[in-house]
Amino acid sequence: AQSVTQPDIHITVSEGASLELRCNYSYGATPYLFWYVQSPGQGLQLLLKYFSGDTLVQGIKGFEAEFKRSQSSFNLRKPSVHWSDAAEYFCAVVSSNTGKLIFGQGTTLQVKP
Amino acid sequence: ETGVTQTPRHLVMGMTNKKSLKCEQHLGHNAMYWYKQSAKKPLELMFVYNFKEQTENNSVPSRFSPECPNSSHLFLHLHTLQPEDSALYLCASSQEGGLAGGQQETQYFGPGTRLLVL
Repeated sequence: AQSVTQPDIHITVSEGASLELRCNYSYGATPYLFWYVQSPGQGLQLLLKYFSGDTLVQGIKGFEAEFKRSQSSFNLRKPSVHWSDAAEYFCAVVSSNTGKLIFGQGTTLQVKP
Repeated sequence: ETGVTQTPRHLVMGMTNKKSLKCEQHLGHNAMYWYKQSAKKPLELMFVYNFKEQTENNSVPSRFSPECPNSSHLFLHLHTLQPEDSALYLCASSQEGGLAGGQQETQYFGPGTRLLVL
C-alpha cells in the first residue's frame, strides 16, 4: 500500500543545534512532496514543496529539504533551531497515480533552551 | 494567517445534538477540503469540493454531512456523533483540486475546530 512514514514521533533538540526530520514514502513514480508545520492551536502551514527540478528545496523560516529518489526520502533540515520552531511537522505526498494527498503521522519537535 | 477561518474554534456536543462547523476562505480558491485530525494518527481526508461540486468522499459515515454553497464557504453538519468522532477538524482550500482531481496544489489550512463528543 502507498504510505508516508515519519520514523520519529518525537524529537528534542537544543536551541541553536541542527535539525533533521525524516520522511520516507512508498510510491513508484516521483511524487509531489510537501512539508507542513503545525504550531499549537494553529492549522497547518506549508514550509516547502518539491515537484521537480533541483532536489534541494528551500522553504520558509530557514528550512530546506532534499529529495533523494534512491532512498525514497524527503528529509527536512534546519542548520540552527530556534525556540519558536517547536511544533508538529508533517510530511505529505501526492501520488502521481491517484492524485491524493497523503500525510505522515507527524513528528513533534521540542526545543530545549 | 486569516486566509482560511473556521468557527467555532471549540465545540462540545452530546451524541444526540446537531451542530455545524463553518469554514470560510478569503483566497479566491476553488477547491475546499475537510480533514479529521485525531491524536497520534495521520490527517484523514474526509471530503473534497472542487468548484462547489463534491469530488471526493473518503467513506465518511453519514453522520457527517458536508455542504458547499459557494466556492468560499464550506460547512460540516454533524448529528448523532460518537465519542470516537472527537478530534480536530481542519478545513483547507487550494486554487483548484488539481488536474483530474489531483491534490498537488498547495493547500492552505484553517486553525481547526476542536470537537469533543460526550
